[in-house]
Amino acid sequence: ETGVTQTPRHLVMGMTNKKSLKCEQHLGHNAMYWYKQSAKKPLELMFVYSLEERVENNSVPSRFSPECPNSSHLFLHLHTLQPEDSALYLCASSQAGGLAIPGELFFGEGSRLTVL
Amino acid sequence: GENVEQHPSTLSVQEGDSAVIKCTYSDSASNYFPWYKQELGKRPQLIIDIRSNVGEKKDQRIAVTLNKTAKHFSLHITETQPEDSAVYFCAASRSTGTASKLTFGTGTRLQVTL
Repeated sequence: ETGVTQTPRHLVMGMTNKKSLKCEQHLGHNAMYWYKQSAKKPLELMFVYSLEERVENNSVPSRFSPECPNSSHLFLHLHTLQPEDSALYLCASSQAGGLAIPGELFFGEGSRLTVL
Repeated sequence: GENVEQHPSTLSVQEGDSAVIKCTYSDSASNYFPWYKQELGKRPQLIIDIRSNVGEKKDQRIAVTLNKTAKHFSLHITETQPEDSAVYFCAASRSTGTASKLTFGTGTRLQVTL
């Protein structure tokens, strides 16, 4: 496998279920991200992990819980979601160049989530 | 925080014509402006970027211009082809820490017709 891979590609869950999205990057990058993509909305940054430490959380509801056990793996744990959480969840990674140069984001193909 | 606005939301051009997509940003400290292309059902991919120390950058049929004073930047695609049909996202960020904290625009759906 190369690049950024996400599983599952599609997920349907009820509001009381607990599920997890998984992301794995094979690029040797030092930062990983979760983005939410909804129709007619900009890509929304949910979480950033850099060097395995979470550095930002843009007021995402607590029903979304990220986990980054190492620099290659990223999870998004989901529980008691709402129908409005239905969206495409994109994982990305980058090799940050320090203060001077932001790194190019390499996206996975996304996990399409439907909450019933 | 940063706010990025993108126009138009949809754009239809005939093959061979040029396409222009415009974005404005609010944070004067932003210094990195990438453009991503997302084909239907596929992942977004970087196609070109520009940093605040230059006003224009070109890569074959694609060019990006930046006006820091007015806080806007644009994507120009010349001699459009059907494979240019996709959604294009602009983004902006400032260089802080070790991660890329991009703020994206809402996207422009470009349709190139034969």
